[in-house]
Amino acid sequence: AQTVTQSQPEMSVQEAETVTLSCTYDTSESDYYLFWYKQPPSRQMILVIRQEAYKQQNATENRFSVNFQKAAKSFSLKISDSQLGDAAMYFCAYRYAGGTSYGKLTFGQGTILTVHP
Amino acid sequence: NAGVTQTPKFRVLKTGQSMTLLCAQDMNHEYMSWYRQDPGMGLRLIHYSVGEGTTAKGEVPDGYNVSRLKKQNFLLGLESAAPSQTSVYFCASSYSPATYEQYFGPGTRLTVT
Repeated sequence: AQTVTQSQPEMSVQEAETVTLSCTYDTSESDYYLFWYKQPPSRQMILVIRQEAYKQQNATENRFSVNFQKAAKSFSLKISDSQLGDAAMYFCAYRYAGGTSYGKLTFGQGTILTVHP
Repeated sequence: NAGVTQTPKFRVLKTGQSMTLLCAQDMNHEYMSWYRQDPGMGLRLIHYSVGEGTTAKGEVPDGYNVSRLKKQNFLLGLESAAPSQTSVYFCASSYSPATYEQYFGPGTRLTVT
């Protein structure tokens, strides 16, 4: 079974600085997707960034980028120029790309990010 | 276009009571699913549906039932609520299981006393 582990329950960063959130996963599959979701106090789950396992290039979305290390099964999220609005719970998630996954997302435990002004 | 909506947003039940949570989407999505979120455990899949009239068990299905009588609606039922079912429940939908983008509803906070 696939597992996703976020070993940092809480992280903090100063506004305008950079922070990296860690995620490791375990799977025997070679074709899958990895995601980072943001959950602000409103509870709404917001997709931040995704990475296809077959792509070697790390995904980027504006101030958000990932460091995808497939062999090490590591998928970290870097937030540059942190803003107060980045404060939220962040979830790492895995989904097998094959048809039998039926879209099932496996989530990590979450990391609470605090941004200090 | 309302996206994915969930009804109700909050609910308090007594042990043994029953209730139904409604998830509705107006995006003509085939795939719908229910997750529960508990502190320190992330979100876990309860049940899912790959199309109208179909349902299947996810990771933590015990104590829940679901129905997908209409394509746009996915209902989650608790027949006899237990305190262990106190959680935040999320519905998600997508065009197909293979589509990476899943749209989440705003969540329902359920407390069972």
